[in-house]
Amino acid sequence: GAVVSQHPSRVICKSGTSVKIECRSLDFQATTMFWYRQFPKQSLMLMATSNEGSKATYEQGVEKDKFLINHASLTLSTLTVTSAHPEDSSFYICSALDWYNEQFFGPGTRLTVL
Amino acid sequence: AQSVTQLDSQVPVFEEAPVELRCNYSSSVSVYLFWYVQYPNQGLQLLLKYLSGSTLVKGINGFEAEFNKSQTSFHLRKPSVHISDTAEYFCAVSFSNDYKLSFGAGTTVTVRA
Repeated sequence: GAVVSQHPSRVICKSGTSVKIECRSLDFQATTMFWYRQFPKQSLMLMATSNEGSKATYEQGVEKDKFLINHASLTLSTLTVTSAHPEDSSFYICSALDWYNEQFFGPGTRLTVL
Repeated sequence: AQSVTQLDSQVPVFEEAPVELRCNYSSSVSVYLFWYVQYPNQGLQLLLKYLSGSTLVKGINGFEAEFNKSQTSFHLRKPSVHISDTAEYFCAVSFSNDYKLSFGAGTTVTVRA
């Protein structure tokens, strides 16, 4: 099956700094990628839809200035958590839609903000 | 309102016993239905999906699910579980043709010897 990678897998940063998370589709092109957030022992919440070559579409309640999404190529989307605070600590998961509209998930990135 | 409900938050089960995980949804439009499995600190892996056609769907690792439109349910079953089936299971629904997924709260399956 198709493979989606995320980098880094874990990141620890100080409060106030910015962190960039990469999501790559390794063996297919993805015009659409999704970013999810998962709190411990909870479900995934869709944050935004990332569209190649255009602005991301954010879900209600998600701060677009805090969570910057860039989908600069057909295989790469990035999520930048700006001015991170401890409440931003979470597990961030991306997914990518292939040509058959099947969604493939990355392994996730564990963000800890101190 | 559109929603996804997983009725069981935790399901303990003995090895080689059957398991059923329940999922109900609420929608006024046609839906696509999915079951995913998540192992600790990992992403999600698709077990099976229902898009159209036969209401009984077979997936990987011996799992199957049945779409029941009248009861708006998509319950997941496995006739005989293994220790390796211990994981978190998520039911997900796509309510529109933009392929966005809404997830249930998840069911933790713990298989004991």
